Amino acid sequence: DSGVTQTPKHLITATGQRVTLRCSPRSGDLSVYWYQQSLDQGLQFLIQYYNGEERAKGNILERFSAQQFPDLHSELNLSSLELGDSALYFCASSVVPGGGYTFGSGTRLTVV
Amino acid sequence: GIQVEQSPPDLILQEGANSTLRCNFSDSVNNLQWFHQNPWGQLINLFYIPSGTKQNGRLSATTVATERYSLLYISSSQTTDSGVYFCAVAGNAGNMLTFGGGTRLMVKP
Repeated sequence: DSGVTQTPKHLITATGQRVTLRCSPRSGDLSVYWYQQSLDQGLQFLIQYYNGEERAKGNILERFSAQQFPDLHSELNLSSLELGDSALYFCASSVVPGGGYTFGSGTRLTVV
Repeated sequence: GIQVEQSPPDLILQEGANSTLRCNFSDSVNNLQWFHQNPWGQLINLFYIPSGTKQNGRLSATTVATERYSLLYISSSQTTDSGVYFCAVAGNAGNMLTFGGGTRLMVKP
């Protein structure tokens, strides 16, 4: 167990739907990062939060949004889902930005 | 942004063999990590090694930051070492990790 908890582990949903992925960082870690791993794109950075504030954005679609709550857990919201959004979504955390990352076990999203 | 290249892309070994995986990056980094993604998709942190050498059991890693490369050594490989090995770096300009394309390792019994 890495200490980073992601739920759910698997999610199957239909095109056009909206889902929410949840991440609880390791105890004491203030930074949370979201990554997407698809077969053809590899591991892509989506967005970073530090202590509740958005810190950096990567290749995140406008249909996707995220937030980090006061208890430091984070949620990634994916809406108007398309078949191409099927992927593994990882959350990672670190004590400070730039420190060593610890990844959760991921959420496997399948859009049908 | 930083470019990260890993080689070889694929590697097949017989159990007990040794191997070296390479990661080249295009700019100065303040974070470099090696990960193992197992067949179930989990990303396991192997080393946090922006510079220097570290060892953990049969695995060791060396990063030569001035020459912009890192090496991961696997000795006496086991079938459980199979999976994809990723190198990821973060540059001085930002904090997010950029991943290489990975080395897919298969260890045969």
